[in-house]
Amino acid sequence: DIVMTQSPDSLAVSLGERATINCKSSQSVLHSSNNKNFLAWYQQKLGQPPKLLIYWASTRESGVPDRFSGSGSGTDFTLTISSLQAEDVAVYYCQQYYTTPFTFGPGTKVDIK
Amino acid sequence: QLQLQESGPGLVKPSETLSLTCTVSGGSISSRSYYWGWVRQPPGKGLEWIGSMYYSGSTYYNSSLKSRVTISVDTSKNQFSLKLTSVTAADTAVYFCASCAYDYLWGTFSAFDYWGQGTLVTVSS
Repeated sequence: DIVMTQSPDSLAVSLGERATINCKSSQSVLHSSNNKNFLAWYQQKLGQPPKLLIYWASTRESGVPDRFSGSGSGTDFTLTISSLQAEDVAVYYCQQYYTTPFTFGPGTKVDIK
Repeated sequence: QLQLQESGPGLVKPSETLSLTCTVSGGSISSRSYYWGWVRQPPGKGLEWIGSMYYSGSTYYNSSLKSRVTISVDTSKNQFSLKLTSVTAADTAVYFCASCAYDYLWGTFSAFDYWGQGTLVTVSS
C-alpha cells in the first residue's frame, strides 16, 4: 500500500498570510501513461464531507478560489493557501489515486492565529 | 451535476451486518466514466477508503476490510450498496459514498469529485 504522510499535523496562520501543507507518498504517484501525478487535495470542514480542491497535484477543481494551489511531483507535494481567509479553517487531506487501495494522508488542521 | 445520498440504519449491533445504500441522481450509475465507492471516517479521525465498484461489476476493496466487505450496484434503481459483516465498535464511523472518474481507455482513476453528506453508523448493543 502507498502510505501518505502530511506535515505539519496542524498550523495556525494569521488572516491574509500564507499557509503551506506538505504531503509525501511512500512511492511515486507519477503515472507514465499520461505523465500526471495521481494526487488530490481535499478540504473538510466540521460536519461536512470532504470537498475536492486540487487533482492531478496542481489542477484546481471548478469553483475553487485561486488562492489555493498545488505543486510537486513524484513523492513530494504541497498545498498552498496564499492568503488565508476565515472560511479556510478546515482539515486538509491529500490522497493518492495512483493505485488501489486509495490512501489518504492523516490530515492537517488549519486554524486562524 | 451528480448528487449522492446515503441511507441506512444508524445503529448496528456487534457481530451483525452493516448495510448502506447510496442513491445517485443527476447521472447514470451505468456510466462508463465513473467508479462508485465508499469512504469512512471514525469520529475525530481521518479518511479510509473501503472500496469502489464499476457498473459492470468490477470491484476493488481495501485489503484491510476485504473479507468483510461487499459493494454491489443496482442499475435499475441507480443505487449502489455497501455491506460490512461481523461489525465491531471499531467500525463506528461516518460512512460516505463518493464517485471518482474513470478513464476506461487507460484504466486509470481520478479523484473523488462527488460525495454524499455522510451517515453516522454506530456499532453498539
